[in-house]
Order: sequence, then C-alpha cells, then structure tokens
Amino acid sequence: EIVLTQSPGTLSLSPGERATLSCRASQSVSFNYLAWYQQKPGQAPRLLIYAASSRATGIPDRFSGSGSGTDFTLTISRLEPEDFAVYYCQQYGSSPPWTFGQGTKVEIK
Amino acid sequence: EARLVESGGDLAQPGGSLRLSCAASGFIFSSYAIHWVRQTPGKGLEWVSAISGSGSKTYYADSVAGRFTISRDKSKSTVYLEMSSLRADDTAIYYCAKDGGSGTYPRGNFEYWGEGTLVAVSS
Repeated sequence: EIVLTQSPGTLSLSPGERATLSCRASQSVSFNYLAWYQQKPGQAPRLLIYAASSRATGIPDRFSGSGSGTDFTLTISRLEPEDFAVYYCQQYGSSPPWTFGQGTKVEIK
Repeated sequence: EARLVESGGDLAQPGGSLRLSCAASGFIFSSYAIHWVRQTPGKGLEWVSAISGSGSKTYYADSVAGRFTISRDKSKSTVYLEMSSLRADDTAIYYCAKDGGSGTYPRGNFEYWGEGTLVAVSS
C-alpha cells in the first residue's frame, strides 16, 4: 500500500497570496496517477487535478499540479476567499487500495 | 452533469447490518465504475470498495473485505453497499463517487461525489 504524506498540515495565508502544498509518496506513483481534491466544511470532496497536472472540468487555472515519481505539488497562484479549505492528494497508480494523504488545511491568516 | 445521491445511513448496533444506496444520474450508468469512500475525523478519507461498470468485478479494502458487499442494479441506476458485522470503527460518512476513468473498469480516482450518508455504529 502506498502511503501519502502531505505537508504542511496547516498553511496560513492571506487572499491574493500563493499557496504551495506538498504530497510525498512512500513509493513511486505509476503513470503519475496522482489526484488533488478540495473539501469545504460540510461538503464532499471535489476533484481539482488528476494525473498530477491535468485540471478537472470547471477548475480555474489558478490551480495547478506538478511533480512525478514520489513528489507532487499543488499550487494555487493567487488565493481567492473561496479557496480556503482542506486539500487532499490521492494516488491511483497501483492496484487497490487507492490511498489518500491526511490533508492540508489552507486557512486565512 | 453526473449526480450521485446516497441514502441508507443510520445508527446501527455493533455486529449489525445496514444497506447503503447510491442513485446515479446524468451519465451512462453501465459505462463507469462506482466507488464507496468513507471519512472519519480520525482516519481521514479511506477508499472502501468499487464495482466495475458491468458489475462483473468488485474490489474491497482489507478493512471491510468479507463483511461488506458492493453490487449494482442497472435498471435502477443504483449501487448498493451491504454492510454486515459492523464495528465501531466503521462509523463514518460514506460517499459514493463516479470513477474518473473512461472505461468500465475503475481507474481509481473520483470524478464526482455524492453528498454522503452518515453511518454510526454504537450500542
């Protein structure tokens, strides 16, 4: 089973600032099949990025993903008020179980 | 756009059973795998089970294998999760999610999610 470790646990930033979130895998993620999700309180997660760098339908271009192998990054270029939420990475490059990181909370500074 | 609606969550006794349902619409139901993912404050997000578009293949996390059964009914565009021998650590919000792949077998990412249904296991 691939273990995903996200850092930092909490990111305190102001609107307009750049957010950089990290996700490290315990072994290489095949095909760079790494996804990022956003979750707001009381809501289900929403797919932002798949295959490490492809934006899902309707996702603004201020969200971008990068990385390969074991190290991946989600970048939010300029934080909007609606971007303050918890972000999870998830790998799907291997056979099940497909696993999630523990999450990074982006909070208003 | 795809829509998924879960139901069936409830309070259950340890050792008891529940059946969750996931009603799907807005896409060709038999063409996509469907997953169940659960979330707890302590353990975060955990993939639980998946079923291929045709229903011919099923997949389970070790934590639920032998206790949970996933199935789908094409005529009702609904996926079910039969949960038995429930334990306290099965307490969670259960989400169903449409697979992000374009084939009948699961790719393993989650393109659309329902709003979730709460399962609480306690005496």
